[in-house]
Amino acid sequence: GENVEQHPSTLSVQEGDSAVIKCTYSDSASNYFPWYKQELGKRPQLIIDIRSNVGEKKDQRIAVTLNKTAKHFSLHITETQPEDSAVYFCAASGGSGTYKYIFGTGTRLKVLA
Amino acid sequence: SQTIHQWPATLVQPVGSPLSLECTVEGTSNPNLYWYRQAAGRGLQLLFYSVGIGQISSEVPQNLSASRPQDRQFILSSKKLLLSDSGFYLCAWTGDNQETQYFGPGTRLLVL
Repeated sequence: GENVEQHPSTLSVQEGDSAVIKCTYSDSASNYFPWYKQELGKRPQLIIDIRSNVGEKKDQRIAVTLNKTAKHFSLHITETQPEDSAVYFCAASGGSGTYKYIFGTGTRLKVLA
Repeated sequence: SQTIHQWPATLVQPVGSPLSLECTVEGTSNPNLYWYRQAAGRGLQLLFYSVGIGQISSEVPQNLSASRPQDRQFILSSKKLLLSDSGFYLCAWTGDNQETQYFGPGTRLLVL
C-alpha cells in the first residue's frame, strides 16, 4: 500500500546548526507534500509545502526540496533556534486516495542551546 | 477567515461508556473533513474522512464511527470506549484547494 518513510526519528543539533529531515514516498501519483510542526501538547501546524511541479521552495530559514524521480523530499532548517524544537511530520497526497494524506512517522528535533 | 473548533478540549471517560466528539468549521463551505487519532508520542492515524454531507469513509475498522450531519460539522462517536481509545483526537479540514489540511485544537481523551 501507500507508504511514507521518514528519517531520522530523532535529531539533535546545536543551536545555529542546520537540520535535515528526509521522507520517501511510494505512490508515484502523489503530487502534494506538506510539512507540519507539532509542539508538545499542541496541534500540528503547516510550516511549508511543495507541489510536484516545483523542485524547491524556501521560506526564510525553512526550505523543502523534492526529487520526483527518486520519490523523496526533504525539509531543511538553517540557523536552528531552541524554538525549532518540536516533532516534524511529512506527508504525501494526491495519489490514488486523492483526499487523503499519508503521513510519515515523525522526527523529534531537539535544538541544544 | 476560516476557523475550526473542537470540543471538549479534554475528556476522561470510563471503559464501556459512550463518546461523542464534535468538530465544526467556520468561514468555508463544502470542506473535506478528517478525524485523526494520535497516541502519546506517536504519529497521526487517519480514522475517517468526509467529502460531503452524509459521506463517510472509514480507514481503520474499530469501535468508532463518524457522521457529518451538516456541511461544516463532523462528529466522532463510540458506543463503548476501550482503554486503547485513549489519545489525542484531531479534526482537520481542507480549504478551497482541497490540498492543505488544517488541524483543530484537538480533544485529549483518557479512558480509565
